[in-house]
Amino acid sequence: NAGVTQTPKFQVLKTGQSMTLQCAQDMNHNSMYWYRQDPGMGLRLIYYSASEGTTDKGEVPNGYNVSRLNKREFSLRLESAAPSQTSVYFCASSEVAGVGGSYEQYFGPGTRLTVT
Amino acid sequence: QKEVEQDPGPLSVPEGAIVSLNCTYSNSAFQYFMWYRQYSRKGPELLMYTYSSGNKEDGRFTAQVDKSSKYISLFIRDSQPSDSATYLCAPPVGGTSYGKLTFGQGTILTVHP
Repeated sequence: NAGVTQTPKFQVLKTGQSMTLQCAQDMNHNSMYWYRQDPGMGLRLIYYSASEGTTDKGEVPNGYNVSRLNKREFSLRLESAAPSQTSVYFCASSEVAGVGGSYEQYFGPGTRLTVT
Repeated sequence: QKEVEQDPGPLSVPEGAIVSLNCTYSNSAFQYFMWYRQYSRKGPELLMYTYSSGNKEDGRFTAQVDKSSKYISLFIRDSQPSDSATYLCAPPVGGTSYGKLTFGQGTILTVHP
C-alpha cells in the first residue's frame, strides 16, 4: 500500500498562475483533508471532505477550491496564486470514526509551493 | 485565542534526558487527545492518543491529560537522537464522526548525542 500520495512534490508559481495539487489514498478511507503548514502556525485546515460527494470549508479556505473526484482522490486548486499561499501543503485521510473509534489521520509527504 | 496552544521551542536536550512537551486548550468539548510526530520534510504521523483525563504509556512515551486545567503533556523518557522531530498536539473536535482535528503550532525538539 502506498498510503497517501501527493503530486507534485515541489512547485514554483508566479503570482496569478493557477495550479492543482493532486492527492490520492489507497486505504479506502471515507474522509480526506487539505492542510497548509507555515512556520509558527502549525497545520491549518483548508478544506475537508467527510465522505465522497461532500466538501466543506476549514479554517483558511480563501483562495482555494477543492474537488472530491471519487473516494480515492481529493484535489486542491489555486485559481490565482498569491505570495501568501507560499506554504507546505499536506493531504490526509481517515476512516469515519464512530463512538470509540480512531480519529487517526494519515498524511501524505507534502507539496512545497513557492509563489513569487 | 487559538483553541490549542503549544510552546514552539525549539527545545534542545542531551541524549537520555526526560523531555516534557505541553499543550493548553480552550475548548472544553475536546474529549480525545492525540500527539503527532513530524520528522523534517515529512508528513505528520500519529504517535499516541488518549481519552479524557489521566495517563497513557507506550514504551518511552507517556501522554497525560488534565481536563480540569485544560493541559496536555507528552513525556519522553531516555530521549534518543531519533526522537528529534516536531511534536504536535491535536484534539479532535468533540462529537464529529469524521475526526476533524485542531492542531497546535508544534514544538521542535532536538536530542543531541
